[in-house]
Amino acid sequence: NAGVTQTPKFQVLKTGQSMTLQCAQDMNHNSMYWYRQDPGMGLRLIYYSASEGTTDKGEVPNGYNVSRLNKREFSLRLESAAPSQTSVYFCASSEAWDRGGNQPQHFGDGTRLSIL
Amino acid sequence: GDSVTQMEGPVTLSEEAFLTINCTYTATGYPSLFWYVQYPGEGLQLLLKATKADDKGSNKGFEATYRKETTSFHLEKGSVQVSDSAVYFCALSDRERGYQKVTFGTGTKLQVIP
Repeated sequence: NAGVTQTPKFQVLKTGQSMTLQCAQDMNHNSMYWYRQDPGMGLRLIYYSASEGTTDKGEVPNGYNVSRLNKREFSLRLESAAPSQTSVYFCASSEAWDRGGNQPQHFGDGTRLSIL
Repeated sequence: GDSVTQMEGPVTLSEEAFLTINCTYTATGYPSLFWYVQYPGEGLQLLLKATKADDKGSNKGFEATYRKETTSFHLEKGSVQVSDSAVYFCALSDRERGYQKVTFGTGTKLQVIP
């Protein structure tokens, strides 16, 4: 009954380092999302994948890249980390839009990333 | 564009008090509305939802009614418990460019004291 699993849970990087955040879901959902959560700003969409094989930019994509590896997995990469990317990152998944309209999103527990 | 405004926190209540967290929205289409809850160190969990005007979502004693005329979706609970302490997010969802776009409020932290 895992749902959405994110790794790692915590990470500290130095400015300029790169890393990949991993996300996997076991609910057979078509759509997956990456958000960042910052104090006082709610959640902001970085990238999304409406279905396997497609990815698109969200509200704040600069400095990030994504890969939809297969239906289960959607990774987020920081190529050259900057202090402004210090945040909590959440992966989410949901049914596709055409399967009953607005379905709720299911979230992982987050990755807390600090960039020094 | 779409937006969600919810009351700022923190909201501090005594156990068994009545809870209201206000949420209003602006949207161009006919969105669905959600309340999510986030406990410390965890991701967001769906609390309740409403998909059309006048729908009432309910779960675990929490309720919210989709009011199109006032563009509101206020969260209420008649008697809060210490275990309800968390951050609550109001959100709306609509279709945009073929995907489910979700717009979140900034969250309201609730503290319930014994």
